[in-house]
Amino acid sequence: TQLLEQSPQFLSIQEGENLTVYCNSSSVFSSLQWYRQEPGEGPVLLVTVVTGGEVKKLKRLTFQFGDARKDSSLHITAAQPGDTGLYLCAGYAGGTSYGKLTFGQGTILTVHP
Amino acid sequence: GAVVSQHPSRVICKSGTSVKIECRSLDFQATTMFWYRQFPKKSLMLMATSNEGSKATYEQGVEKDKFLINHASLTLSTLTVTSAHPEDSSFYICSARDRAYHEQYFGPGTRLTVT
Repeated sequence: TQLLEQSPQFLSIQEGENLTVYCNSSSVFSSLQWYRQEPGEGPVLLVTVVTGGEVKKLKRLTFQFGDARKDSSLHITAAQPGDTGLYLCAGYAGGTSYGKLTFGQGTILTVHP
Repeated sequence: GAVVSQHPSRVICKSGTSVKIECRSLDFQATTMFWYRQFPKKSLMLMATSNEGSKATYEQGVEKDKFLINHASLTLSTLTVTSAHPEDSSFYICSARDRAYHEQYFGPGTRLTVT
């Protein structure tokens, strides 16, 4: 069972379009992080959300943490080819997963010029 | 920002040999480091958690005699793939958690190819 369900797994859009990636769970997370990874490189941290209902903006990227801290979304406005990559949500849950970062399945985004 | 390095970035080895991958936190101390494996176009799969000065904790299904982990200092962890086989070929990524914060910083990864 996947602790963090990320969707969609693949997204292919044209430059200028908007998109949203979702990350959902039945578990509560103390924090959620979003990473972007390019082929052959390690993931790069984009943002960490900690407070339920929190919204953070990073240029054209908007991140939201659900009120109950069980879900998060990443919205990209006017996507550009440079946004192409693998987007990963990850979070710290409790129980046996305490202290470990749990990853969603990832979303492969391709932005065509 | 925090920097984590990995060495080597790419390695090709023959079946049956062992390969060591180093993970270093360059500008912060990391009591905990993590080793992940990633298949093409897939997410990261946690292999083991490495705590400085103690034995690593392996995830279910990961052979600890196959993937030896040593965390000798607050800035260095190593992963040794012993008696490598072609099915061990993969992208291995380490991460280090800052002592003060929950955020993890990832290394650039090591591409292992076993021929």
